[in-house]
Amino acid sequence: DIQMTQSPSSVSASVGDRVIITCRASQNVNNWLAWYQQKAGQAPKLLIYAAASLENGVPSRFSGRGFGTDFTLTINSLQPEDFATYFCQQANSVPLTFGGGTRVELK
Amino acid sequence: QVHLQESGPGLVRPSETLSLTCSISGASVSSHYWTWIRQSATNGLEWIGRIYPGVTAEYNPSLRSRLSMSVDTSKKQLFLKVNSLTAADTAVYFCAREIASRRLDSWGQGTLVTVSS
Repeated sequence: DIQMTQSPSSVSASVGDRVIITCRASQNVNNWLAWYQQKAGQAPKLLIYAAASLENGVPSRFSGRGFGTDFTLTINSLQPEDFATYFCQQANSVPLTFGGGTRVELK
Repeated sequence: QVHLQESGPGLVRPSETLSLTCSISGASVSSHYWTWIRQSATNGLEWIGRIYPGVTAEYNPSLRSRLSMSVDTSKKQLFLKVNSLTAADTAVYFCAREIASRRLDSWGQGTLVTVSS
Protein backbone atom coordinates (compact mmCIF):
# COMPACT_ATOMS: atom_id res chain seq x y z
CA ASP A 1 0.00 0.00 0.00
CA ILE A 2 1.09 3.59 -0.62
CA GLN A 3 1.54 5.47 2.64
CA MET A 4 0.47 9.11 2.73
CA THR A 5 2.12 11.37 5.31
CA GLN A 6 0.73 14.80 6.04
CA SER A 7 2.37 17.61 7.92
CA PRO A 8 1.79 19.35 10.15
CA SER A 9 -0.78 17.33 12.05
CA SER A 10 -2.26 20.59 13.29
CA VAL A 11 -1.75 24.28 12.66
CA SER A 12 -3.01 27.33 14.52
CA ALA A 13 -3.85 30.27 12.30
CA SER A 14 -5.85 33.47 12.18
CA VAL A 15 -8.42 34.71 9.72
CA GLY A 16 -6.55 36.16 6.74
CA ASP A 17 -3.48 33.95 7.16
CA ARG A 18 -2.00 31.73 4.49
CA VAL A 19 -1.82 28.07 5.44
CA ILE A 20 0.25 25.46 3.64
CA ILE A 21 -0.25 21.74 4.22
CA THR A 22 2.09 19.16 2.80
CA CYS A 23 1.49 15.56 1.81
CA ARG A 24 4.16 13.04 0.93
CA ALA A 25 3.55 9.70 -0.74
CA SER A 26 5.73 6.68 -0.04
CA GLN A 27 5.99 6.08 -3.79
CA ASN A 28 5.20 7.87 -7.01
CA VAL A 29 1.50 8.66 -7.45
CA ASN A 30 1.98 10.86 -10.54
CA ASN A 31 -0.67 13.58 -10.22
CA TRP A 32 -3.35 11.33 -8.77
CA LEU A 33 -3.71 13.25 -5.56
CA ALA A 34 -6.84 14.77 -4.06
CA TRP A 35 -7.49 17.02 -1.09
CA TYR A 36 -10.59 16.98 1.10
CA GLN A 37 -11.96 19.18 3.85
CA GLN A 38 -13.88 17.66 6.71
CA LYS A 39 -15.84 19.39 9.44
CA ALA A 40 -17.04 17.71 12.61
CA GLY A 41 -19.90 15.31 12.01
CA GLN A 42 -19.75 15.70 8.25
CA ALA A 43 -18.41 13.73 5.34
CA PRO A 44 -15.21 14.83 3.62
CA LYS A 45 -15.70 17.39 0.89
CA LEU A 46 -13.59 17.33 -2.27
CA LEU A 47 -11.50 20.47 -2.79
CA ILE A 48 -8.74 19.59 -5.24
CA TYR A 49 -8.26 16.65 -7.61
CA ALA A 50 -5.48 15.62 -9.96
CA ALA A 51 -3.11 17.50 -7.64
CA ALA A 52 -4.01 20.98 -8.89
CA SER A 53 -7.56 21.03 -10.29
CA LEU A 54 -10.11 22.96 -8.29
CA GLU A 55 -13.42 21.16 -7.82
CA ASN A 56 -16.51 23.02 -9.01
CA GLY A 57 -17.80 25.46 -6.42
CA VAL A 58 -14.65 25.49 -4.30
CA PRO A 59 -13.30 28.98 -3.60
CA SER A 60 -10.19 30.01 -5.49
CA ARG A 61 -8.29 30.66 -2.25
CA PHE A 62 -7.69 26.90 -2.23
CA SER A 63 -4.93 25.66 -4.50
CA GLY A 64 -2.88 22.53 -4.89
CA ARG A 65 0.38 21.64 -6.52
CA GLY A 66 2.86 18.84 -6.78
CA PHE A 67 3.70 15.70 -8.73
CA GLY A 68 5.20 12.34 -7.93
CA THR A 69 5.61 12.12 -4.17
CA ASP A 70 5.39 15.69 -2.82
CA PHE A 71 2.26 17.79 -2.77
CA THR A 72 0.94 20.91 -1.09
CA LEU A 73 -2.44 22.42 -0.36
CA THR A 74 -2.44 26.18 0.11
CA ILE A 75 -5.27 28.17 1.64
CA ASN A 76 -4.85 31.86 0.94
CA SER A 77 -6.55 34.39 3.19
CA LEU A 78 -8.05 31.89 5.61
CA GLN A 79 -11.76 32.41 6.22
CA PRO A 80 -13.79 31.47 9.33
CA GLU A 81 -15.43 28.58 7.48
CA ASP A 82 -12.02 27.09 6.63
CA PHE A 83 -11.29 25.91 10.17
CA ALA A 84 -11.54 22.17 9.65
CA THR A 85 -9.46 19.06 9.07
CA TYR A 86 -7.84 18.46 5.70
CA PHE A 87 -6.89 15.12 4.17
CA CYS A 88 -4.89 14.12 1.14
CA GLN A 89 -5.67 10.93 -0.77
CA GLN A 90 -3.80 9.12 -3.51
CA ALA A 91 -5.76 7.68 -6.41
CA ASN A 92 -2.82 6.21 -8.33
CA SER A 93 -3.32 2.63 -7.21
CA VAL A 94 -5.64 0.41 -5.25
CA PRO A 95 -6.08 0.45 -2.33
CA LEU A 96 -6.66 4.16 -2.33
CA THR A 97 -5.07 5.61 0.80
CA PHE A 98 -5.46 8.76 2.84
CA GLY A 99 -3.18 10.93 4.89
CA GLY A 100 -3.68 11.21 8.62
CA GLY A 101 -5.16 14.68 8.41
CA THR A 102 -4.20 18.25 9.30
CA ARG A 103 -6.38 20.17 11.71
CA VAL A 104 -6.53 23.90 11.05
CA GLU A 105 -7.41 25.61 14.31
CA LEU A 106 -8.10 29.16 15.34
CA LYS A 107 -5.09 30.79 16.93
CA GLN B 1 -27.82 16.95 -7.44
CA VAL B 2 -26.32 13.68 -6.33
CA HIS B 3 -27.46 12.39 -2.95
CA LEU B 4 -26.16 9.32 -1.16
CA GLN B 5 -27.63 7.94 2.03
CA GLU B 6 -26.17 5.10 4.07
CA SER B 7 -28.31 2.95 6.30
CA GLY B 8 -27.50 0.14 8.67
CA PRO B 9 -27.99 -1.41 12.10
CA GLY B 10 -25.89 0.94 14.23
CA LEU B 11 -24.89 -1.75 16.72
CA VAL B 12 -23.58 -5.18 15.78
CA ARG B 13 -22.24 -7.97 17.96
CA PRO B 14 -18.71 -9.32 17.58
CA SER B 15 -18.34 -12.19 15.10
CA GLU B 16 -21.57 -11.22 13.34
CA THR B 17 -22.02 -9.82 9.83
CA LEU B 18 -22.58 -6.15 9.07
CA SER B 19 -24.93 -5.26 6.24
CA LEU B 20 -25.06 -1.69 4.97
CA THR B 21 -27.06 -0.09 2.19
CA CYS B 22 -26.31 3.09 0.28
CA SER B 23 -29.27 4.62 -1.54
CA ILE B 24 -28.44 6.84 -4.50
CA SER B 25 -30.43 9.60 -6.15
CA GLY B 26 -29.60 12.19 -8.77
CA ALA B 27 -27.04 10.07 -10.60
CA SER B 28 -26.78 7.18 -12.98
CA VAL B 29 -25.67 4.16 -10.99
CA SER B 30 -24.48 2.35 -14.11
CA SER B 31 -21.91 4.93 -15.13
CA HIS B 32 -19.59 5.32 -12.16
CA TYR B 33 -17.45 3.58 -9.59
CA TRP B 34 -19.10 3.42 -6.18
CA THR B 35 -16.88 3.29 -3.16
CA TRP B 36 -17.10 2.40 0.52
CA ILE B 37 -14.83 4.15 2.99
CA ARG B 38 -14.76 4.04 6.76
CA GLN B 39 -13.34 6.35 9.38
CA SER B 40 -12.28 5.62 12.90
CA ALA B 41 -10.16 7.39 15.48
CA THR B 42 -7.71 4.49 15.36
CA ASN B 43 -7.28 4.01 11.63
CA GLY B 44 -8.36 7.34 10.16
CA LEU B 45 -9.92 7.20 6.70
CA GLU B 46 -9.71 3.70 5.25
CA TRP B 47 -10.75 2.75 1.71
CA ILE B 48 -12.79 -0.45 1.88
CA GLY B 49 -13.37 -1.04 -1.82
CA ARG B 50 -15.27 -0.03 -4.92
CA ILE B 51 -17.57 -1.50 -7.50
CA TYR B 52 -18.47 -0.61 -11.06
CA PRO B 53 -21.82 -2.13 -12.08
CA GLY B 54 -21.20 -5.17 -14.22
CA VAL B 55 -17.54 -5.41 -13.21
CA THR B 56 -15.89 -7.33 -10.40
CA ALA B 57 -15.47 -5.32 -7.23
CA GLU B 58 -12.05 -4.28 -5.98
CA TYR B 59 -11.37 -4.67 -2.28
CA ASN B 60 -8.78 -3.47 0.18
CA PRO B 61 -6.44 -6.46 0.60
CA SER B 62 -6.50 -5.96 4.36
CA LEU B 63 -10.25 -6.64 4.39
CA ARG B 64 -10.80 -8.71 1.26
CA SER B 65 -11.44 -12.03 2.96
CA ARG B 66 -14.34 -10.54 4.94
CA LEU B 67 -15.99 -8.31 2.33
CA SER B 68 -18.73 -8.49 -0.22
CA MET B 69 -19.99 -5.59 -2.32
CA SER B 70 -22.86 -5.52 -4.74
CA VAL B 71 -25.08 -3.07 -6.55
CA ASP B 72 -28.70 -3.10 -7.66
CA THR B 73 -28.95 -0.64 -10.53
CA SER B 74 -32.73 -0.87 -10.76
CA LYS B 75 -33.16 0.10 -7.11
CA LYS B 76 -30.16 2.46 -7.21
CA GLN B 77 -28.65 0.87 -4.15
CA LEU B 78 -25.21 -0.30 -3.12
CA PHE B 79 -24.63 -3.01 -0.58
CA LEU B 80 -21.72 -3.80 1.69
CA LYS B 81 -21.31 -6.87 3.85
CA VAL B 82 -18.49 -7.33 6.32
CA ASN B 83 -18.32 -10.59 8.25
CA SER B 84 -16.49 -11.77 11.36
CA LEU B 85 -16.73 -8.37 12.97
CA THR B 86 -14.47 -7.25 15.79
CA ALA B 87 -14.25 -4.04 17.79
CA ALA B 88 -11.69 -2.83 15.24
CA ASP B 89 -14.52 -2.56 12.70
CA THR B 90 -16.22 0.13 14.76
CA ALA B 91 -16.26 3.20 12.52
CA VAL B 92 -18.34 5.64 10.53
CA TYR B 93 -19.02 4.04 7.15
CA PHE B 94 -19.39 6.25 4.07
CA CYS B 95 -20.40 5.52 0.51
CA ALA B 96 -19.05 7.80 -2.20
CA ARG B 97 -19.05 8.23 -5.95
CA GLU B 98 -15.83 8.16 -7.95
CA ILE B 99 -15.92 10.10 -11.21
CA ALA B 100 -13.52 11.28 -13.91
CA SER B 101 -9.98 12.04 -12.82
CA ARG B 102 -10.43 9.48 -10.04
CA ARG B 103 -12.06 11.89 -7.66
CA LEU B 104 -14.57 11.14 -4.91
CA ASP B 105 -16.95 13.98 -5.59
CA SER B 106 -20.09 12.96 -3.70
CA TRP B 107 -20.32 11.36 -0.27
CA GLY B 108 -23.09 10.17 1.96
CA GLN B 109 -23.35 11.60 5.45
CA GLY B 110 -22.01 8.38 6.95
CA THR B 111 -23.46 5.86 9.34
CA LEU B 112 -21.89 4.94 12.67
CA VAL B 113 -21.41 1.24 13.25
CA THR B 114 -20.43 0.06 16.71
CA VAL B 115 -19.27 -3.50 17.27
CA SER B 116 -19.97 -4.48 20.84
CA SER B 117 -21.59 -7.22 22.85
